[in-house]
Amino acid sequence: DAGITQSPRYKITETGRQVTLMCHQTWSHSYMFWYRQDLGHGLRLIYYSAAADITDKGEVPDGYVVSRSKTENFPLTLESATRSQTSVYFCASSSDLNEKLFFGSGTQLSVL
Amino acid sequence: DQQVKQNSPSLSVQEGRISILNCDYTNSMFDYFLWYKKYPAEGPTFLISISSIKDKNEDGRFTVFLNKSAKHLSLHIVPSQPGDSAVYFCAARVNGGSQGNLIFGKGTKLSVKP
Repeated sequence: DAGITQSPRYKITETGRQVTLMCHQTWSHSYMFWYRQDLGHGLRLIYYSAAADITDKGEVPDGYVVSRSKTENFPLTLESATRSQTSVYFCASSSDLNEKLFFGSGTQLSVL
Repeated sequence: DQQVKQNSPSLSVQEGRISILNCDYTNSMFDYFLWYKKYPAEGPTFLISISSIKDKNEDGRFTVFLNKSAKHLSLHIVPSQPGDSAVYFCAARVNGGSQGNLIFGKGTKLSVKP
């Protein structure tokens, strides 16, 4: 299906474990983004990517790693999960840096 | 320091009436403002936007007003419908910003009662 998809939809993990959240888009958008949504904070940018092999930090990058080997995929990895990383994670894409974002449905992550 | 502020966490409105959602910002370099709507268990979806060179933009039942001198924008929904019940995020973009990302407010939860 066309669009932007995230997987898994829900994930429970333990502190210290590595977990990877997947994001795939079919529009060939150049830009992809990872946001986290927490109560009292709205949406905060974790990392973004302008093209394959080009990534940059956002507002809250600590504890996260991203890669973009292909234009359509932008996985987000928590190398050693902490409870503070319990959140809802949204991937987004846009055709241009100044265009509106299209969001995926989100991944709800719980770190126990 | 929060650059985009939505000071009302929630708003309740009767069906058919006007809903007014407010947003204040502190950064005078913002040149583009957007509103996103979010239903539970879904990602945010773009609703309406306005450039800093305009003071009003209308799209059907949705109108966004921008008051640059007050650094304030508002989203008007007329008439409100139960299907408008969602969380609304205000977002702003920095002109030529190196990160190019949108700065989001914390959101306002709108409830439209039948």
